[in-house]
Amino acid sequence: DTGVSQDPRHKITKRGQNVTFRCDPISEHNRLYWYRQTLGQGPEFLTYFQNEAQLEKSRLLSDRFSAERPKGSFSTLEIQRTEQGDSAMYLCASSLAGLTQETQYFGPGTRLLVL
Amino acid sequence: QKEVEQNSGPLSVPEGAIASLNCTYSDRGSQSFFWYRQYSGKSPELIMFIYSNGDKEDGRFTAQLNKASQYVSLLIRDSQPSDSATYLCAPFRGNTGFQKLVFGTGTRLLVSP
Repeated sequence: DTGVSQDPRHKITKRGQNVTFRCDPISEHNRLYWYRQTLGQGPEFLTYFQNEAQLEKSRLLSDRFSAERPKGSFSTLEIQRTEQGDSAMYLCASSLAGLTQETQYFGPGTRLLVL
Repeated sequence: QKEVEQNSGPLSVPEGAIASLNCTYSDRGSQSFFWYRQYSGKSPELIMFIYSNGDKEDGRFTAQLNKASQYVSLLIRDSQPSDSATYLCAPFRGNTGFQKLVFGTGTRLLVSP
């Protein structure tokens, strides 16, 4: 257990529905990242926050995806109008900026299946 | 050219042998290099990182980095069946605007008893 938690751990939804995932980072970490991983691939970067500011978004992140980190603590990732291609493991990671060797620690992930 | 290239495997080694996992990367601006282990259905777990050319040892694991050749490797000595997993290589640039880890597809390692 890295100290990063994600909820829910599994989500099954029907195409067209909206889903929201939550990530609670390690408490003193000021950076939070979202990645997506499909079978047989490494995790792909989606977006990251430093405190409450969203500083980078991947081109993979379509306008159906939105992420927030309102108070610089937990973060939510929402997918609107889900598609079957959204089925994947959504991973959250956190880190402490400013260290010489910034290390990202991953949560257990949320596995999404869109039917 | 992919940003990070790893042989997907599987790499099969007998218990007790040395497993050698290789990774090449294209971004010369990469400053740190992370190795994560991922068991099937689980999230990536940090094994070690390296940022200086040469070798870095941590228990049974040794990371090797050659920035001139844009090559990083992970050696696992005395391999155990519990080491069977996918090993992900991830360079990290660390400058403003480039904070993400860029993962390879990973190498699947199988250690047979």
